[in-house]
Amino acid sequence: SAVISQKPSRDICQRGTSLTIQCQVDSQVTMMFWYRQQPGQSLTLIATANQGSEATYESGFVIDKFPISRPNLTFSTLTVSNMSPEDSSIYLCSVASQGHEQFFGPGTRLTVL
Amino acid sequence: QKEVEQNSGPLSVPEGAIASLNCTYSDRGSQSFFWYRQYSGKSPELIMSIYSNGDKEDGRFTAQLNKASQYVSLLIRDSQPSDSATYLCAALLDDLMDSNYQLIWGAGTKLIIKP
Repeated sequence: SAVISQKPSRDICQRGTSLTIQCQVDSQVTMMFWYRQQPGQSLTLIATANQGSEATYESGFVIDKFPISRPNLTFSTLTVSNMSPEDSSIYLCSVASQGHEQFFGPGTRLTVL
Repeated sequence: QKEVEQNSGPLSVPEGAIASLNCTYSDRGSQSFFWYRQYSGKSPELIMSIYSNGDKEDGRFTAQLNKASQYVSLLIRDSQPSDSATYLCAALLDDLMDSNYQLIWGAGTKLIIKP
């Protein structure tokens, strides 16, 4: 399976600021996904990051709040904009294999004060 | 609304016993199913994938799929304290109009193996 890294691993941010999370994969992948996981909750898909086109956002998530870039087949970024305490969560990127299994990065733990 | 349902637990099992984790799904068209293990503070890791009716074994783990009943299960034999984690069930969304290959996730079952 692919090796996936995320930066930063954690951050504490002030309300109203923005944070960009990076996801790097050691091999080229077609499908990349961004998730949010609140404490004790399951995974919520934010968007699918498509190389060369705009991300596809799930209901309840908008591009202005969570802009995503996917400049190539090994890298993506998710920005959490104009943060509020409700954005405090773990943010995870994942990649899909040809068999549709998904493999996850280590996650970014975000706390917004 | 396509859903995957799991009992949130916690499910407490004595060490050495068989742990049985269950999952039902609503999308009758789903063909691919996955079990993930998530330790506290860590990201989910894939344990098993299953695509055909019946059983699939990998070491101490057996995944079972019954498409007629829309039911997936994971058995863990000879349970160890290190198996204590949250287990997430996921189904591949069957949507011919959408090639994004999304997974529908269950809420997860917390498993506790008691020494």
